[in-house]
Amino acid sequence: DQQVKQNSPSLSVQEGRISILNCDYTNSMFDYFLWYKKYPAEGPTFLISISSIKDKNEDGRFTVFLNKSAKHLSLHIVPSQPGDSAVYFCAAVNYGGSQGNLIFGKGTKLSVKP
Amino acid sequence: EAGVAQSPRYKIIEKRQSVAFWCNPISGHATLYWYQQILGQGPKLLIQFQNNGVVDDSQLPKDRFSAERLKGVDSTLKIQPAKLEDSAVYLCASSRSGANVLTFGAGSRLTVL
Repeated sequence: DQQVKQNSPSLSVQEGRISILNCDYTNSMFDYFLWYKKYPAEGPTFLISISSIKDKNEDGRFTVFLNKSAKHLSLHIVPSQPGDSAVYFCAAVNYGGSQGNLIFGKGTKLSVKP
Repeated sequence: EAGVAQSPRYKIIEKRQSVAFWCNPISGHATLYWYQQILGQGPKLLIQFQNNGVVDDSQLPKDRFSAERLKGVDSTLKIQPAKLEDSAVYLCASSRSGANVLTFGAGSRLTVL
């Protein structure tokens, strides 16, 4: 049973426009959420995170929104750049229980076209 | 700061053979993780170490997988005997104790024929 779901396997966006990547989770015990970016033949790299006590966190072009009642989070990239083309993984963790075991979604492949 | 080092980057073996992967975490990172990423899936935790002790190995197939972290620094993940379904990228990650962000290595891609 998938606890973290990324229902869109791929997303194509024009350069300069907004990219919105979505993630849903089922476990209400998750208290911290992260987004990782992965280029081919490289390991995932941390992008941005949000605690369950917040509903928004912003870092430059990247903003993560958390809707706890809907068990949904989204990553907004504005403006999108060709270098943002990568696979984006949503991850969640229950620090109160599992001592840092990140549960990952299957990822969304973002393509930003010039 | 040097990143998480992994080797080998690529390995091809036949089923029933054995293979070992090595990981050197970031200096000072007490927590080390091994993840398995099958094509089209997200990474899945296999085992988590805190220094040289095992914190969580609930998803490690212990009949064929083993891992150790001697002296609380480097770690080795072994598969013996390998099955076709073990074909995956094996990712090592590390973090400071209690930290909420993991730093991943580039991974070791295993193909079992």
